[in-house]
Amino acid sequence: AQKITQTQPGMFVQEKEAVTLDCTYDTSDQSYGLFWYKQPSSGEMIFLIYQGSYDEQNATEGRYSLNFQKARKSANLVISASQLGDSAMYFCAMREGYDYKLSFGAGTTVTVRA
Amino acid sequence: EPEVTQTPSHQVTQMGQEVILRCVPISNHLYFYWYRQILGQKVEFLVSFYNNEISEKSEIFDDQFSVERPDGSNFTLKIRSTKLEDSAMYFCASSESSAHYGYTFGSGTRLTVV
Repeated sequence: AQKITQTQPGMFVQEKEAVTLDCTYDTSDQSYGLFWYKQPSSGEMIFLIYQGSYDEQNATEGRYSLNFQKARKSANLVISASQLGDSAMYFCAMREGYDYKLSFGAGTTVTVRA
Repeated sequence: EPEVTQTPSHQVTQMGQEVILRCVPISNHLYFYWYRQILGQKVEFLVSFYNNEISEKSEIFDDQFSVERPDGSNFTLKIRSTKLEDSAMYFCASSESSAHYGYTFGSGTRLTVV
């Protein structure tokens, strides 16, 4: 079974609008961490935001926020006030328990239109 | 801000040749990883390395692959006899002892096997 599911292969968003990228996860561990990474066309992986399973508040980092719904096992990324530079592939990833490796979703391509 | 440095950024090699991909992790990090991303696909875990030995490896990491930390700063991935399907972006990453503080990825090495 897929550990991380990203159902949106591609999305278009108008500049200055908000966009929500979906991510659902599957784990039986009580302790886990959820990550979002941005991959621009140049290829590097840029860390955006982290949410721990025991964190009671949703994580926020500037224009990025994570809508963490533990019971639904979802960790959606919200990008507010989209900019042209936000056009990229976005990956959701998970670390489970004491395992340090990350499992990645298939990614969502975001294209911001002027 | 500390970086994970990967060299070369792009390598082209003949099928059957050996390649060594190099990485310099962040100096106070203890866990090191290699991930692979075939063009347009998800990022896949290859191997994790801690305390000078492999702590976990995926099914992809077969006998053609090996990792080494030859001098306490570099972390290398060797592919002994490259195949066409080894063409991918290879990412090195490192993390502190607690994965809560996140992973830092290098900018990647794009390997093209011809």
